[in-house]
Amino acid sequence: EIVLTQSPATLSLSPGERATLSCRASQSVSSYLAWYQQKPGQPPRLLIYDASNRATGIPARFSGSGSGTDFTLTISSLEPEDFAVYYCQQRSNSVTFGGGTKVEIK
Amino acid sequence: QVQLVESGGGVVQPGRSLRLSCAASGFTFSSYPMHWVRQAPVKGLEWVAVISYDGSKKYYADSVQGRFTVSRDNSKNTLYLQMDSLKSEDTAVYYCARDCGAGSCPVGDYFDYWGQGTLGTVSS
Repeated sequence: EIVLTQSPATLSLSPGERATLSCRASQSVSSYLAWYQQKPGQPPRLLIYDASNRATGIPARFSGSGSGTDFTLTISSLEPEDFAVYYCQQRSNSVTFGGGTKVEIK
Repeated sequence: QVQLVESGGGVVQPGRSLRLSCAASGFTFSSYPMHWVRQAPVKGLEWVAVISYDGSKKYYADSVQGRFTVSRDNSKNTLYLQMDSLKSEDTAVYYCARDCGAGSCPVGDYFDYWGQGTLGTVSS
């Protein structure tokens, strides 16, 4: 099983700041990685697929990069609605999710 | 618009069964593979199962293999998850999710639409 490790567990930032979230895979997943956002009481929302492609309707402030084992989700300037938990997910070998990074208001 | 509505959750004793349903609307259900993903209370996400668009192929997570069965009825636009021999560690919100690959993504096994989830609790 491919294990995805997300860091940091919690990121405390202010609106307008840049957020950088990391996802590391236990073995290469090529570019088969997605990012999701989840708010309390809601299902996850697909943000990025294939490491760097924004899903339909996702604002340009969200961007993804990386390949192989190291991936990054960047939110260029945090909006109030961006404070949430973010998960990475790989589909290279079955499907697994990372443990999540909570982006909280500082 | 795309809608996925789960039902069938509840409280059951260990070793018993539960059957979840997911009613789909707003898209051509029979063209899409569909998944079940679960989330234990205050925990992360765990993929459970996938079924191909026509129901001919099914794959499961190791944690549920042999106990859970995914199926679909394309005439009713409905996805199912039969959960048998339930354990306390199966307690979770169960989401149905549409596979992105038949729509806006070039490959499958990403999830572009999710239901609101249904809670299944296994407790004595």
